[in-house]
Amino acid sequence: DGGITQSPKYLFRKEGQNVTLSCEQNLNHDAMYWYRQDPGQGLRLIYYSQIVNDFQKGDIAEGYSVSREKKESFPLTVTSAQKNPTAFYLCASSRAWGMNTEAFFGQGTRLTVV
Amino acid sequence: DQQVKQNSPSLSVQEGRISILNCDYTNSMFDYFLWYKKYPAEGPTFLISISSIKDKNEDGRFTVFLNKSAKHLSLHIVPSQPGDSAVYFCAALTHSGGGADGLTFGKGTHLIIQP
Repeated sequence: DGGITQSPKYLFRKEGQNVTLSCEQNLNHDAMYWYRQDPGQGLRLIYYSQIVNDFQKGDIAEGYSVSREKKESFPLTVTSAQKNPTAFYLCASSRAWGMNTEAFFGQGTRLTVV
Repeated sequence: DQQVKQNSPSLSVQEGRISILNCDYTNSMFDYFLWYKKYPAEGPTFLISISSIKDKNEDGRFTVFLNKSAKHLSLHIVPSQPGDSAVYFCAALTHSGGGADGLTFGKGTHLIIQP
């Protein structure tokens, strides 16, 4: 079955450590996105990628980094520079950039920094 | 400054009745609107969308209405069912320069269907 997979579902890290969240899709989608959800904040865009080897900052990119070396994969690294890293992180993909198409979301990763 | 606003954090509706979820936007460049449904600890799932060239789109029990002059859209669910209890996010995007930015989401409305 085609889909978008995030792992792990729950992640705990000590303050000051970098952590990488995995996102893989087998939908052959060109565009991929990372969002963060906080209570009462909705979904906020961290980074997006229109195509492999390309990515752009979203609204809240500070303290995060991404890579897009393969079409299927768009990992997100939460660095120690991110001041409030504890959140629910959602990865999404959509068929093509610049087209009216819905995004498909992964199941999310809940990151807790202690 | 929030470009997509869902002013009702929660909404309670009796089973069988109509649920109406509202969404307002400020960016006149938005040209495509989507509704997503989200259960706790899961990713959002796409529900229904509407292009700015239309004023209504219907899919089964779900209908989305768009009023461009008022920069307002609404999602109607008729009849409401217990499984509809979830958080509903309104989202918008704009196409410019041949590309599209990421979706801009509202804060969500928690719909509670009461038996």
